[in-house]
Amino acid sequence: NAGVTQTPKFRILKIGQSMTLQCTQDMNHNYMYWYRQDPGMGLKLIYYSVGAGITDKGEVPNGYNVSRSTTEDFPLRLELAAPSQTSVYFCASNPRENYGYTFGSGTRLTVV
Amino acid sequence: GESVGLHLPTLSVQEGDNSIINCAYSNSASDYFIWYKQESGKGPQFIIDIRSNMDKRQGQRVTVLLNKTVKHLSLQIAATQPGDSAVYFCAEVLRGGAQKLVFGQGTRLTINP
Repeated sequence: NAGVTQTPKFRILKIGQSMTLQCTQDMNHNYMYWYRQDPGMGLKLIYYSVGAGITDKGEVPNGYNVSRSTTEDFPLRLELAAPSQTSVYFCASNPRENYGYTFGSGTRLTVV
Repeated sequence: GESVGLHLPTLSVQEGDNSIINCAYSNSASDYFIWYKQESGKGPQFIIDIRSNMDKRQGQRVTVLLNKTVKHLSLQIAATQPGDSAVYFCAEVLRGGAQKLVFGQGTRLTINP
């Protein structure tokens, strides 16, 4: 099992550019989440999904979009990158039956 | 919205000593809490969890205490080792179908040799 895989690990974007952060899990978990972590802070929930075809906003969704066409994949889309989106992004998954959250290793994004 | 906060942003202890990391939570409806360890450049790593119907839970060198009266959570690490140096977060699981995690700010623990 690879667990939760995030790509890329690092990315530098110019203001106004777009990109997709990829997240894949091979544990057949129903629940998936995207968090962002600013320096010295805890993780804040951007979007989440309870299953394929179902997504919902978290605490800080502005500037982002997600989709969940399969159980395995949960990509996060930034349409018009802004400096305020400079952060480390973590994807996580969780089986519905318990609280066994698994986190990816993160994507460090810098917007200049 | 709901939030989970930590009292101390940094903590330094001598190797071999015990350390205590504290956390205050505000959502009295949460029924599950998790402590995570995060090393530099890595994602959060599960340490220990506790349900709201418990006051204490022990793992290997770690103990979590839950005081629901004052909404306080603590993580005790016994006989600290250099590898314990990291940032520690508490998180609460919000009731609801999605089992969303709410994280605190974190405490940076430094183990001095």
